Amino acid sequence: AQTVTQSQPEMSVQEAETVTLSCTYDTSESDYYLFWYKQPPSRQMILVIRQEAYKQQNATENRFSVNFQKAAKSFSLKISDSQLGDAAMYFCAYRTKYGNKLVFGAGTILRVKS
Amino acid sequence: EAGVTQFPSHSVIEKGQTVTLRCDPISGHDNLYWYRRVMGKEIKFLLHFVKESKQDESGMPNNRFLAERTGGTYSTLKVQPAELEDSGVYFCASSQDHWRQGQPNTEAFFGQGTRLTVV
Repeated sequence: AQTVTQSQPEMSVQEAETVTLSCTYDTSESDYYLFWYKQPPSRQMILVIRQEAYKQQNATENRFSVNFQKAAKSFSLKISDSQLGDAAMYFCAYRTKYGNKLVFGAGTILRVKS
Repeated sequence: EAGVTQFPSHSVIEKGQTVTLRCDPISGHDNLYWYRRVMGKEIKFLLHFVKESKQDESGMPNNRFLAERTGGTYSTLKVQPAELEDSGVYFCASSQDHWRQGQPNTEAFFGQGTRLTVV
């Protein structure tokens, strides 16, 4: 069975600085998807970024980028120029290529200090 | 376009009572999912509907949980009778299967969750 591990329950970053959230996963599949979701307090969880395992190039979305290390089964999220609005719970998730259900990690609370 | 909406946002009930959670997916989305996050733990899959049919209910914890999606629109998740360990945040998500350049490109959209507290 696939598992996703987020080893950092909580992280803090100064506004305008860079922070990296860690995620590792375990799977025997060779092709799959990885995701980072963000849930602000009492609001909907939204997709931040997605990585297809067959793509070697790391995904980027504006200030958000990932470091995908397939052999190491590592999928970290880097947030550059952190803003107060980035404060949220961040979940790493995995999905098989043709599947539908997501397998989530336990989440990392990100606090942004002004 | 309205997103996924869940009702209620919070619910506090006593052990042994019944609670029904509702999820309205994005219009036109055939796939509807229920997930649950127990405090401090990972979000876990409960079940998956395709239209009104249960495609995968492997994550349902026990027979005190009943999910329905009559007519393939909104869904309800009933817990009866509720136990203390049922406390947590229940998320609903919906998606529509898409393909792009021969690759599945399905994105799940989530609601804000229902926080259930059983006392």
